[in-house]
Amino acid sequence: QKEVEQDPGPLSVPEGAIVSLNCTYSNSAFQYFMWYRQYSRKGPELLMYTYSSGNKEDGRFTAQVDKSSKYISLFIRDSQPSDSATYLCAMSGNRDDKIIFGKGTRLHILP
Amino acid sequence: EAQVTQNPRYLITVTGKKLTVTCSQNMNHEYMSWYRQDPGLGLRQIYYSMNVEVTDKGDVPEGYKVSRKEKRNFPLILESPSPNQTSLYFCASSLSPLLETQYFGPGTRLLVL
Repeated sequence: QKEVEQDPGPLSVPEGAIVSLNCTYSNSAFQYFMWYRQYSRKGPELLMYTYSSGNKEDGRFTAQVDKSSKYISLFIRDSQPSDSATYLCAMSGNRDDKIIFGKGTRLHILP
Repeated sequence: EAQVTQNPRYLITVTGKKLTVTCSQNMNHEYMSWYRQDPGLGLRQIYYSMNVEVTDKGDVPEGYKVSRKEKRNFPLILESPSPNQTSLYFCASSLSPLLETQYFGPGTRLLVL
């Protein structure tokens, strides 16, 4: 079983819809969870960062971590065409551990 | 402007011809790393550096070398490139090893013939 699993998509949704992106993981030691957004021909940029379980909200974006299920989610409300990108989850056990990335989910928001 | 720069952005080369991809950051970050990104495999770490003169292997270090003689620069060296090193390469830097504030460069697309 891979350490981090992420559906590659593509996922196509109409503008204004709520988007749900997910990752599962196998290493129970992971405590730091991140979501990156990567536009075509660009480097990834950090979108959200959470520590341990719980929710974190930033504007239209909400990150959720369920450590008991080893499952993390990113929700995008009122999705816009500018949200079309590849979204990568990433996680780590502690501050000095290397980061393990998911393979990324390609998201298309249809105008 | 805070940024990570990489050069070149695009490179086509032939098997065995040594090449260097430069990476520079202007944020006084201690931690820098190199990744390669391949379809279906995602981002994989090649090497990282915790500080000047301190480097360590990531997940896929074979065929690569790095050096960290100055804080701002972290070049990636391919001594004898092979076609399986054709990939998209990203340099990244951050204040600490944990990458909650990691900044990625724009990427270098390498084709080895």
